Amino acid sequence: SQQGEEDPQALSIQEGENATMNCSYKTSINNLQWYRQNSGRGLVHLILIRSNEREKHSGRLRVTLDTSKKSSSLLITASRAADTASYFCATVPQGGSEKLVFGKGTKLTVNP
Amino acid sequence: GAGVSQSPSNKVTEKGKDVELRCDPISGHTALYWYRQRLGQGLEFLIYFQGNSAPDKSGLPSDRFSAERTGESVSTLTIQRTQQEDSAVYLCASSLASVGRGGYTFGSGTRLTVV
Repeated sequence: SQQGEEDPQALSIQEGENATMNCSYKTSINNLQWYRQNSGRGLVHLILIRSNEREKHSGRLRVTLDTSKKSSSLLITASRAADTASYFCATVPQGGSEKLVFGKGTKLTVNP
Repeated sequence: GAGVSQSPSNKVTEKGKDVELRCDPISGHTALYWYRQRLGQGLEFLIYFQGNSAPDKSGLPSDRFSAERTGESVSTLTIQRTQQEDSAVYLCASSLASVGRGGYTFGSGTRLTVV
């Protein structure tokens, strides 16, 4: 079953602009993670935010988590053409089996 | 090895044939996961192994799908009597112990095409 739902489904921006992607989920979570996927192959783990955290930074990435709204956002600042990829949020539901439940992803295109 | 290794990277098979996909996780990673991704879609959970515990098979779509893992090493995903709807990229991932402590490391996947 789908836990995370990313929004928008597709995003096209110019190099240097910021990109914001949102994720909503349905059940209480242990943590939420963001992944990047290039060319429909292996995913790369970007960042993990725990349910008791509200914001986390890693380089040009900023993730927020609002457990009251069951939502998260991923901000990529000063985007580059190399950031072009699909971005997925994934959650570890609380109290369930230890497996990530992925959304359908946001396809980001950064135009040079 | 340095990463999660999957083989083959591509597989074309005829409808009705059996296929076996292989995943070699990162050494020391006790948890191993299989996901399926259809074209343009998100990842669909198939099965999860954690050490010597009974696997979580709740995502396997039918009894044509099965997976094995010996200890904390290689895993194989077998699809019997393949159907065209089985065409997808099959992704394997491994992680250290509990997924709550860190992210997964994914392999590059096996692209399965059933003709």
